[in-house]
Amino acid sequence: QQPVQSPQAVILREGEDAVINCSSSKALYSVHWYRQKHGEAPVFLMILLKGGEQKGHEKISASFNEKKQQSSLYLTASQLSYSGTYFCGTEHRGSTLGRLYFGRGTQLTVWP
Amino acid sequence: DGGITQSPKYLFRKEGQNVTLSCEQNLNHDAMYWYRQDPGQGLRLIYYSQIVNDFQKGDIAEGYSVSREKKESFPLTVTSAQKNPTAFYLCASSTDSGTEAFFGQGTRLTVV
Repeated sequence: QQPVQSPQAVILREGEDAVINCSSSKALYSVHWYRQKHGEAPVFLMILLKGGEQKGHEKISASFNEKKQQSSLYLTASQLSYSGTYFCGTEHRGSTLGRLYFGRGTQLTVWP
Repeated sequence: DGGITQSPKYLFRKEGQNVTLSCEQNLNHDAMYWYRQDPGQGLRLIYYSQIVNDFQKGDIAEGYSVSREKKESFPLTVTSAQKNPTAFYLCASSTDSGTEAFFGQGTRLTVV
């Protein structure tokens, strides 16, 4: 039930854009996005809920396609601080709500 | 300030010894989770608890045990039965489904 993330790694120059995808084989209730710096705790970025509602804390956008069971995270005009590993976590309908299944992560590196 | 605290940050143990990792939260969250993180693997769920005195196995519970005697506390014991215990362990909590999970700073356990 682990979601699949793509790409595995992205290298950008400051100011460039990136898209990170998350795909599940199970029907989704919500998709969570987190960013983790090496050796630190994951930091919440955004939740996308069934029905299209988004809850986020940063200037990062995302989409949630319920039919395709996919979500994409859009990072525009990337900054050096965007570097880190991005994880999607999925909540599944029919499973214990609140329990998240995490992808393997996408490593994003932003160079000056 | 509300948050979730893990201790210690680094832990070294000899093979064959049990070790307990601490996780405390003052966010008044009902649900708490333990994840294990290995390079390239993402976050894998060990155990979770949605209410005091109740907990469920996650995907990799073998060799681990937990207790939830208080709402604020969810300690994890890594037993000698865990074949490869060296890893980064993360504790998290949340209020309900569809809400963000708050993570502790993690404990890096090294077994020699």
